[in-house]
Amino acid sequence: NAGVMQNPRHLVRRRGQEARLRCSPMKGHSHVYWYRQLPEEGLKFMVYLQKENIIDESGMPKERFSAEFPKEGPSILRIQQVVRGDSAAYFCASSPRGSGYEQYFGPGTRLTVT
Amino acid sequence: GNSVTQMEGPVTLSEEAFLTINCTYTATGYPSLFWYVQYPGEGLQLLLKATKADDKGSNKGFEATYRKETTSFHLEKGSVQVSDSAVYFCALRSSFGNEKLTFGTGTRLTIIP
Repeated sequence: NAGVMQNPRHLVRRRGQEARLRCSPMKGHSHVYWYRQLPEEGLKFMVYLQKENIIDESGMPKERFSAEFPKEGPSILRIQQVVRGDSAAYFCASSPRGSGYEQYFGPGTRLTVT
Repeated sequence: GNSVTQMEGPVTLSEEAFLTINCTYTATGYPSLFWYVQYPGEGLQLLLKATKADDKGSNKGFEATYRKETTSFHLEKGSVQVSDSAVYFCALRSSFGNEKLTFGTGTRLTIIP
């Protein structure tokens, strides 16, 4: 059973460009979480999604950031008009259901904004 | 809100030394507590967990006990190995059906032969 897949592993964008980060959950998992890790900091929750539904987006910046988890295909975290402060590692996790189940993490996407 | 305070790093120990990484938390209710480990270039892996007071989580020689009276979940290992070198994160999940994890800042552990 393949683990959580994230791509790309490394992404370089110039200021003002768009970044799209993809997350394929483990087989049979219908819940996805996105976390951001700034340099020398712990992971910070961004958003929690089920298929076609955003459950909790309390950690998402109000502007430029959006996330989706369509019925088919991977979950996408989209950052529009990136700025240098968006440089971070973005981790995706998945679980088979929500309440009380372990979250399995992917290897992360390291975004660098130049 | 919820928060996790973790021992500042980095920590460097010799092989076979005793390890303690301190973790304290602030949360309402009865959160679940976790230790995650991150090896270089990889995602986080769950190391151990405890879901109620006085529970002891253990795995790969690591242990941590959920202490509600001191709001702590310190990670310990009796004899560390070079392969334990990694970053360790303490985390909690609220008891109120909110599934997001709240993490500490992480402790980088280096074991020298």
